[in-house]
Amino acid sequence: GDSVTQMEGPVTLSEEAFLTINCTYTATGYPSLFWYVQYPGEGLQLLLKATKADDKGSNKGFEATYRKETTSFHLEKGSVQVSDSAVYFCALGGGTSYGKLTFGQGTILTVHP
Amino acid sequence: NAGVTQTPKFQVLKTGQSMTLQCAQDMNHNSMYWYRQDPGMGLRLIYYSASEGTTDKGEVPNGYNVSRLNKREFSLRLESAAPSQTSVYFCASSPPDDGPTQYFGPGTRLLVL
Repeated sequence: GDSVTQMEGPVTLSEEAFLTINCTYTATGYPSLFWYVQYPGEGLQLLLKATKADDKGSNKGFEATYRKETTSFHLEKGSVQVSDSAVYFCALGGGTSYGKLTFGQGTILTVHP
Repeated sequence: NAGVTQTPKFQVLKTGQSMTLQCAQDMNHNSMYWYRQDPGMGLRLIYYSASEGTTDKGEVPNGYNVSRLNKREFSLRLESAAPSQTSVYFCASSPPDDGPTQYFGPGTRLLVL
C-alpha cells in the first residue's frame, strides 16, 4: 500500500538557517503530494502541494518539488524564523486512493533566536 | 466562513463511557474524514464519507462508529471508550473539484482514564 517516510526529528535550527526536511514515498498510480504544518495546539494547515511530477509547490518561503524518479518531495526554506517552529507532515493522496491522505510521522522543527 | 469546526475541544472519559465527537463544515464540501493523531505515528484515517449518505472504514476503524448526518455534519462515536483511544481527533473535508486536498478542523483532545 501507499506509504510516506519523513526524516526523523526533532530538528533544531538557529534563526535564518537553511531548512530541509526529507520526505520519500511509495505509491501506485500518480498521487498528489502535500506538506501540512501544525502549530502548537492547532489543527493541520495546508502549506503547499504538487499534483504531478516536476511540479514545484511553494508558500510562505517554503518550497518542495515533486521528484518521481527519486520518489521524493523534500521541504526547503532558505531562511527560517522562530515563527516557523511547528510540526511538519508530508502526505500523499489521490492516485489509487482517491480522496484519502496517507501521512508521514511528522517532523518537529524548533527554531531558536 | 468558519471552515471545519469540532466540538468539544477537550474531553475526559472513564473506561466504558460513550461519547460523540461532532464535526461540521460550511464550505459545501462533499467528502469528510476522521483521523486520530498519536505521537510518532502521524495521522491515521478512522472513517471517511465520500458523499452524503455513504461511509467507509479507514485504517483504524475498530471501536468507532460514524454518522454522516447531512452534507455539513459528520460525527464520530465511541460506544465504550478504552484507554487506547486516548488521542487527538481531527476532522477534515475536501472539495469535489480537488479531491485529495483536505482542510482540517482544530481537533478534539480525548483522554480516557
